[in-house]
Amino acid sequence: EVQLLESGGGLVQPGGSLRLSCAASGFTFSSYAMTWVRQVPGKGLQWVSTLSVSGIDTYYAVSVKGRFTISRDNFKNTLYLQMNSLRADDTAVYYCAKDRSHVNGILDGFDCWGQGIMVTISS
Amino acid sequence: QSVLTQPPSASGTPGQGVTISCSGSSSNIARNYVYWYQQLPGTAPKLLIYRNNQRPSGVPDRFSGSKSGTSASLAISGLRSEDEADYYCSTWDDSLSGYVFGTGTEVTVL
Repeated sequence: EVQLLESGGGLVQPGGSLRLSCAASGFTFSSYAMTWVRQVPGKGLQWVSTLSVSGIDTYYAVSVKGRFTISRDNFKNTLYLQMNSLRADDTAVYYCAKDRSHVNGILDGFDCWGQGIMVTISS
Repeated sequence: QSVLTQPPSASGTPGQGVTISCSGSSSNIARNYVYWYQQLPGTAPKLLIYRNNQRPSGVPDRFSGSKSGTSASLAISGLRSEDEADYYCSTWDDSLSGYVFGTGTEVTVL
């Protein structure tokens, strides 16, 4: 069974940093692109960042570019999101999601999602 | 601010059908596949439709997707109470070099 489990969320002051992790199991993690999506409680989904199969190509939403870094450790089957210079509007539930595509350079939607982890930015 | 526009709500009685629209532009829907996600209350989103009109294994054929030009639609036929959820369209945007989501539609079964 494909599973994604996020961790590392919590309460952080504005300007602070946090690293989210997403532990993957049930599939060949190294063969799939991975993505972070966030959702302010009661609001819609917002794409945050995607990492290609190769781990070389990274894509970021304008709102997080330069502050967030997506990465992966294929030996640990884990996806990361390093979040720096956090702001109040980064407060959200963060989901990691597995892309359908296992072809490098092709992105094809998200067929598995984690349960989400809450990140709260407040003083 | 979402790039893809959906109606905020849709409703129907059990057995009826509803259609949710998703309006985009030449840089997103017109050029790329559209995906639809269902988010039941308090849960993570679930893939409902991929590549415009394909259903993953386990998704009932009551759900169908279509795309034309810069718009896409999700149709739900034979509404059931368990279909009450938020529905989001999504696609890749070539100008933004990233995925975009629709504003979301809350479906209510009356």
